[in-house]
Amino acid sequence: EAGVTQFPSHSVIEKGQTVTLRCDPISGHDNLYWYRRVMGKEIKFLLHFVKESKQDESGMPNNRFLAERTGGTYSTLKVQPAELEDSGVYFCASSRRTSGSVGELFFGEGSRLTVL
Amino acid sequence: GESVGLHLPTLSVQEGDNSIINCAYSNSASDYFIWYKQESGKGPQFIIDIRSNMDKRQGQRVTVLLNKTVKHLSLQIAATQPGDSAVYFCAENPYSSASKIIFGSGTRLSIRP
Repeated sequence: EAGVTQFPSHSVIEKGQTVTLRCDPISGHDNLYWYRRVMGKEIKFLLHFVKESKQDESGMPNNRFLAERTGGTYSTLKVQPAELEDSGVYFCASSRRTSGSVGELFFGEGSRLTVL
Repeated sequence: GESVGLHLPTLSVQEGDNSIINCAYSNSASDYFIWYKQESGKGPQFIIDIRSNMDKRQGQRVTVLLNKTVKHLSLQIAATQPGDSAVYFCAENPYSSASKIIFGSGTRLSIRP
C-alpha cells in the first residue's frame, strides 16, 4: 500500500510569489490533514478535511493560505502571496478514523518551502 | 531582529541501554496521547498511543506512561538501537477536537556506540 505522498519535496520561491503544494493521501482515507513546522517551532495543525469538506480550518494562519480537496481525493495547499515567515516544512497526513478522537495519522515526508 | 526558535532538548544514550523521554502536556481536557518518531528527512511516524483512562501501555520495545495528576507523559524505549536515533514528539488530542493534535517541541535522541 502506498503511503501519503507529497509534491514537491522542496520548493524555493521569492517573496510575493505563489506556491501550490499537493498531497495524495492513502487510498480509502477520508480524513486528510495539513500541518506545518516553521523554523525551530513545533509542528502545528493547519486544517482537516473529511472527504471534500473542511472539518476544521482553525489553524490556517491567514487568508493567504487556501486549501482544497476537490472530489475528496488529493488536496492542494496554495500560498499566495508567499511571505518570508511561511518558510518551513508542510506535512500532510491521512487517516481512516470515522468517529471519536483523531486516531492514528499517517504522515507524508513533507514539502519544504523556502521563501527568499 | 533575528527570531530565536525553540531548541530541542537532547538525550544521548548508550546503545543497549534503556531510553526515557519525558513530556509535559498542557490541556487537562486531553483524552488521547500519542508518541511520534521523526527521522531526518521524513514525516512523523506513529509509535504508540494511550487514552486517558489508562496509565500504561506497552508495545514492541516501547512503553508509554501517563500521569494525569501532574500532566506528564513518558516514552520508554528498551535496549536502544542505532535505528532509534530520531526526534521524538509527544502529542495530545484535546477532547474538544476531533480534528487536531497538538505536538510538543520534541526531544532529539542520539545513540552512542
